[in-house]
Amino acid sequence: SQQGEEDPQALSIQEGENATMNCSYKTSINNLQWYRQNSGRGLVHLILIRSNEREKHSGRLRVTLDTSKKSSSLLITASRAADTASYFCATLSNDYKLSFGAGTTVTVRA
Amino acid sequence: EAQVTQNPRYLITVTGKKLTVTCSQNMNHEYMSWYRQDPGLGLRQIYYSMNVEVTDKGDVPEGYKVSRKEKRNFPLILESPSPNQTSLYFCASSLRHSSYEQYFGPGTRLTVT
Repeated sequence: SQQGEEDPQALSIQEGENATMNCSYKTSINNLQWYRQNSGRGLVHLILIRSNEREKHSGRLRVTLDTSKKSSSLLITASRAADTASYFCATLSNDYKLSFGAGTTVTVRA
Repeated sequence: EAQVTQNPRYLITVTGKKLTVTCSQNMNHEYMSWYRQDPGLGLRQIYYSMNVEVTDKGDVPEGYKVSRKEKRNFPLILESPSPNQTSLYFCASSLRHSSYEQYFGPGTRLTVT
């Protein structure tokens, strides 16, 4: 079952701008993971945030988690053309079931 | 280089003709899984394996079989493919179980006519 749902479905920004996408989910989670997929290729893990964490950073990526609202956000700062990709959140339930959302497609314009 | 490999990368076949998509990882991972990706539906898990000889159904197992005879290999078998199995398939592995980061293969684009 698809637990995480990303919003927006698509996002177009200018190079250098920040990109923010959100993920909402329905049931309690163990952790939440974000992945990137370049067109037609395999997913690449970006960052994992545990249910007892509120914020994590990795380079230009910032992830927040609000378990009370059952939502997470991924912020990409100072975007580059190479950031053009689809971004997926994956929620891990307490019985270790990993469910992916449908993704947000990000286009970074030069 | 640590990686997950899949073969073939592209396959066009006809309804009912049995096929196998191979998946292999060189990271000594215990957990392996198969997903299919369809437009607007994200990734849906087909089967997963916690370790050798241990497999279990995911969300959409109908029409698929798997086996895990060796730690590194996790083939996906379609005994009698149908057009609704046309999709992009990904194999993934992780160190122990699904709570660890997943390493994905490059994908297999399957078309069943």
